[in-house]
Amino acid sequence: DTAVSQTPKYLVTQMGNDKSIKCEQNLGHDTMYWYKQDSKKFLKIMFSYNNKELIINETVPNRFSPKSPDKAHLNLHINSLELGDSAVYFCASSLWTSGGSGELFFGEGSRLTVL
Amino acid sequence: AQRVTQPEKLLSVFKGAPVELKCNYSYSGSPELFWYVQYSRQRLQLLLRHISRESIKGFTADLNKGETSFHLKKPFAQEEDSAMYYCAPDKLIFGTGTRLQVFP
Repeated sequence: DTAVSQTPKYLVTQMGNDKSIKCEQNLGHDTMYWYKQDSKKFLKIMFSYNNKELIINETVPNRFSPKSPDKAHLNLHINSLELGDSAVYFCASSLWTSGGSGELFFGEGSRLTVL
Repeated sequence: AQRVTQPEKLLSVFKGAPVELKCNYSYSGSPELFWYVQYSRQRLQLLLRHISRESIKGFTADLNKGETSFHLKKPFAQEEDSAMYYCAPDKLIFGTGTRLQVFP
């Protein structure tokens, strides 16, 4: 009964390849997010979807394309992988509140290594 | 600009010692203010949030609006507190994180 689950947990691939990471939540939340945690452990927002609509799109290369088929899923597709894409990618979900105390629920992370 | 500063990258203390993890923020509007924790090989999880004003695992955090700070404190650190701690004024901005090491 995992709340936020990501697959795969580990991904090792060559530069130039295309890969996808999937995320699913069973909490009934309406908002999902992708974060990138780099080698220095900095955590940065990449995208956020609310009710399947893209609401946050930080300065992320066009090679990254999120897709939300429904409220419970948010996938991340990365084209033409580069060495700098190596990181841990975290999916999270929450209830969208304006000025409230909605907390984030995180997945376990997907460690991407680009060789 | 929205910014969160956690000045200590690494904080090392001995078990039983008091610990304070600093968080200063620059934020337009009313920040929600959270502390998230990431234990080794585990997912990030909420530790506490300002609006609840609660104490979790002995940790408390007080908002100082004048200094725009939300420091995390615990009077007696335990070995199991060793983890990465992130301060966040909202769901989109995280501090750079502080690694807390508690030695026996």
